[in-house]
Amino acid sequence: QTVVTQEPSVTVSPGGTVTLTCASSTGAVSSDYYPNWFQQKPGQAPRSLIYRTSHKHSWTPDRFSGSLLGGKAALTLSGVQPEDEAEYYCLLYFGNDQRAFGGGTKLTVL
Amino acid sequence: QVQLVQSGAEMKKPGASVKVSCRPSGYTFTNYFLHWVRQAPGQGLEWMGIINTNTGGTGYAQTFQGRFTMTRDTSTSTVYMELSSLRFEDTAIYYCTRENYWEHDFWGQGTLVTVSS
Repeated sequence: QTVVTQEPSVTVSPGGTVTLTCASSTGAVSSDYYPNWFQQKPGQAPRSLIYRTSHKHSWTPDRFSGSLLGGKAALTLSGVQPEDEAEYYCLLYFGNDQRAFGGGTKLTVL
Repeated sequence: QVQLVQSGAEMKKPGASVKVSCRPSGYTFTNYFLHWVRQAPGQGLEWMGIINTNTGGTGYAQTFQGRFTMTRDTSTSTVYMELSSLRFEDTAIYYCTRENYWEHDFWGQGTLVTVSS
């Protein structure tokens, strides 16, 4: 069974920069995995941030960016704000109509 | 504006089945795939499956093969998910989310399904 791995928790200072990663047990993540990134705050539905590796929605703040880094999908937050404290999930495509989420990264802004 | 409106909370006994609906609006129903995702209390997101709203074709996560079914009704622009043989560990919030060419954008508000004896 395919496993998608994210850092369980990361702490960043306000105004800082942080990169969250998303790895696949099948090997290096490429653009063919069409990574999507989502933000979820307590008690809320997830919110889509990034699709197809690096594309932003109209509502995605400029400080969020997506990329591929060292064989993983990556989400970088530059100039972190207190309101960015949330859980972040990646979703990867594995062909044949299969997808899998990572376990999520709890981002603490402290 | 785009909205995905889901049916209300459900409480079921172990062994029963539950059917949850997701009714998108604000766009052409058959132009987007719909996915079902669940989240158990205090846990992460779990992908369950995808339905092609145009053809009705489906893809299921291996975990749910055999007791999870997705259907769609194009006359009412509604997608349904049905989970059978419910277990305590199926207690979760179930979400629908739309996707087009690997672009996920909008999500439903979620439906809490509680399995309790």
